[in-house]
Amino acid sequence: GAGVSQSPSNKVTEKGKDVELRCDPISGHTALYWYRQSLGQGLEFLIYFQGNSAPDKSGLPSDRFSAERTGGSVSTLTIQRTQQEDSAVYLCASSLLGVRTDTQYFGPGTRLTVL
Amino acid sequence: SQQGEEDPQALSIQEGENATMNCSYKTSINNLQWYRQNSGRGLVHLILIRSNEREKHSGRLRVTLDTSTKSSALLIPASRAADTASYFCATGAGGTSYGKLTFGQGTILTVHP
Repeated sequence: GAGVSQSPSNKVTEKGKDVELRCDPISGHTALYWYRQSLGQGLEFLIYFQGNSAPDKSGLPSDRFSAERTGGSVSTLTIQRTQQEDSAVYLCASSLLGVRTDTQYFGPGTRLTVL
Repeated sequence: SQQGEEDPQALSIQEGENATMNCSYKTSINNLQWYRQNSGRGLVHLILIRSNEREKHSGRLRVTLDTSTKSSALLIPASRAADTASYFCATGAGGTSYGKLTFGQGTILTVHP
């Protein structure tokens, strides 16, 4: 079956613009995670969804970042008023149940460049 | 320093040699996982070892976990050029019931043919 897909694969935007990043998890996976990978910071957890609710948003860097998930499936990560430090690869992962021992399946990521 | 730090940061070896990558962490964990990443994009799950396990195998890969020293090692025997990638350890928190992962900085492995 299909894996986790993300779109767009690359996004170049100007500072101050808003961007939306999309994640399509594996069908039937209840848990969805967003991570960010940037030079010098490694991979950082951003937010976790169980179904449509987000019990843990602790990794979102600022209130410019928000995410939603609808229908227990697709998720959108929105960054408002982008800054250069937002440049990174944004990775989405899904897992079947969301428990600690689940395997997380990662998408190919969206490379965001803020000029 | 961050939870889940890999050592070395970069490892360059010849095909056929064994590759050993280490990971240290600071807080209590439920499990530790290793991932592989090619070309800076999607991560592929390699193996999960629970905190009550000491050693685990997956195909060629061998992972050890020492909770007393808070460290883990990923061993790839008889490496191949196709093993060239970045390898990350990630810890699953002991204080949560869900799969939030904390990643290390990764080891860049280069296997020369």
